[in-house]
Amino acid sequence: AAGVIQSPRHLIKEKRETATLKCYPIPRHDTVYWYQQGPGQDPQFLISFYEKMQSDKGSIPDRFSAQQFSDYHSELNMSSLELGDSALYFCASSLLSTYNEQFFGPGTRLTVL
Amino acid sequence: SQQGEEDPQALSIQEGENATMNCSYKTSINNLQWYRQNSGRGLVHLILIRSNEREKHSGRLRVTLDTSKKSSSLLITASRAADTASYFCATFTGDTGRRALTFGSGTRLQVQP
Repeated sequence: AAGVIQSPRHLIKEKRETATLKCYPIPRHDTVYWYQQGPGQDPQFLISFYEKMQSDKGSIPDRFSAQQFSDYHSELNMSSLELGDSALYFCASSLLSTYNEQFFGPGTRLTVL
Repeated sequence: SQQGEEDPQALSIQEGENATMNCSYKTSINNLQWYRQNSGRGLVHLILIRSNEREKHSGRLRVTLDTSKKSSSLLITASRAADTASYFCATFTGDTGRRALTFGSGTRLQVQP
């Protein structure tokens, strides 16, 4: 069965640079979520999209933005990167009608130097 | 964690023993889910229990939910070395516009062969 695809899997950036993370949800899933997991931390919700519209916002910094495109893939754009942005970034998708059982991608490990 | 704590934070057992992890949360919920995460990898959905359910089984997993105490437990029976991972509970409130999961702080389980 198709799973959530994220790219790239690893990314190394310098401070103040920008980064773009991509997510391809499971086909026919209507909701996409982005989570950030710092070292030794639990995942923290950043932002979500339902049917390509932003549906909820969590602890996403103003330096970050995200969008979902007509083919349902989503991109998380991160600007003015800081050392503290180093983390695992997960994308998840779900069918809202299934009470939000979420399927997670393998994550993108971002390292900011 | 914004939602609550998991207990214990770390657990080390021998293969064949049972492992019990507890989770507390703060808000009313629609459902509670347990996820597993191997070191630095993606989150894998294990089981979902709805707020009107008290107990659920899936293979070697048993989950209980006590909404009056706002707590849940995950029991893994006859543990195997391959069960070594971090285990997170996550709650879904089901509120309109709030479609994200809120994760607990996780339990690191080490199963010694």
